[in-house]
Amino acid sequence: KNQVEQSPQSLIILEGKNCTLQCNYTVSPFSNLRWYKQDTGRGPVSLTIMTFSENTKSNGRYTATLDADTKQSSLHITASQLSDSASYICVVRGRPDSWGKLQFGAGTQVVVTP
Amino acid sequence: DAGITQSPRYKITETGRQVTLMCHQTWSHSYMFWYRQDLGHGLRLIYYSAAADITDKGEVPDGYVVSRSKTENFPLTLESATRSQTSVYFCASRTSDDHTIYFGEGSWLTVV
Repeated sequence: KNQVEQSPQSLIILEGKNCTLQCNYTVSPFSNLRWYKQDTGRGPVSLTIMTFSENTKSNGRYTATLDADTKQSSLHITASQLSDSASYICVVRGRPDSWGKLQFGAGTQVVVTP
Repeated sequence: DAGITQSPRYKITETGRQVTLMCHQTWSHSYMFWYRQDLGHGLRLIYYSAAADITDKGEVPDGYVVSRSKTENFPLTLESATRSQTSVYFCASRTSDDHTIYFGEGSWLTVV
């Protein structure tokens, strides 16, 4: 069973609107959680990284939150733009030495329409 | 330009053929990775390397071989390609400070 579950699987939003993506994980112990953006036909690019002690991290119009107690994270996109159309992937790292065991979510496909 | 580059970007091959996907990084990162990405699945780790001449299996290593004779290169070889290996392959490397993973642009492989 995948230890990182993302929802929704896909969503369509109007340009200028906000949206929130969810990531639930069961990875334990927990080291950090990252959100990546993957444009169609490209490799993923890191947006944010959050450790156990961090609750919120922003990168421009992207804001990630983390609740390590409930093992949930969200990525909020504010005032969406057409360039935000992409897949957003949640990645959880467990033990600090477990580079072979990064857990990837299947991603949420976001489509921003004019 | 500095970064991580993959070649070829697109490849069609026949079942049973040997295929090598190349990966080159200019940052001198110690860690490098090979992932495959299939519809409906998250990125899955094939092999990774902590340094030159040190490699280890990931989640789905069967049918693949890697080598790392130089820090900057990490080729992935499919010894006898099968249709189930049709996928997008991403090479990646990791920084030593904040451990950010940087991905290449991907290699689209179709096995017919």
